[in-house]
Amino acid sequence: EDQVTQSPEALRLQEGESSSLNCSYTVSGLRGLFWYRQDPGKGPEFLFTLYSAGEEKEKERLKATLTKKESFLHITAPKPEDSATYLCAVQANNNNDMRFGAGTRLTVKP
Amino acid sequence: GAGVSQSPSNKVTEKGKDVELRCDPISGHTALYWYRQSLGQGLEFLIYFQGNSAPDKSGLPSDRFSAERTGGSVSTLTIQRTQQEDSAVYLCASSPTGDFSPLHFGNGTRLTVT
Repeated sequence: EDQVTQSPEALRLQEGESSSLNCSYTVSGLRGLFWYRQDPGKGPEFLFTLYSAGEEKEKERLKATLTKKESFLHITAPKPEDSATYLCAVQANNNNDMRFGAGTRLTVKP
Repeated sequence: GAGVSQSPSNKVTEKGKDVELRCDPISGHTALYWYRQSLGQGLEFLIYFQGNSAPDKSGLPSDRFSAERTGGSVSTLTIQRTQQEDSAVYLCASSPTGDFSPLHFGNGTRLTVT
């Protein structure tokens, strides 16, 4: 069964303190791994898609990387506006759905 | 154009009543998904529509749940005889093709069953 596990569940950082969020996955044939950001009371907002091991994507202070077993979302010099829940999802070759992890709730203090 | 629109944004209902949740996807998007998000939990897949193909209903938790998509556009998720465990945020998402393309989510309907 496809599984996605995110860690940590919650992360508190000081502004400017870089860190990484982890997404471990088990899937029978990865079609794509997706990162989303979700603000309170809103639907998830797409950040990145990664398709194969070794691939990296960057956007502002965020960089996503992918191996055969996990993905990392690196956040460099975060700002308070980066506070949100970050969700990881995988889409398998034999499934129509995206399997989501429970998310990491990030808080960045000024 | 506009993003994915869901209505109502909040719904409070009594146990045993039926509810209908509506989703207007982005125009031209052929794929439409329904997910359920309970407090502190990940998104739970419910159902997937792709064009004129038969929907993938494999995520529906019981036969009290059903969904339809009319004219390849608007979708309605119906929950019959609601139970307290149905309380959650119901999220709708659409994507241009469903394959490799990211999902565009609405802001959800928060359902509370009392």
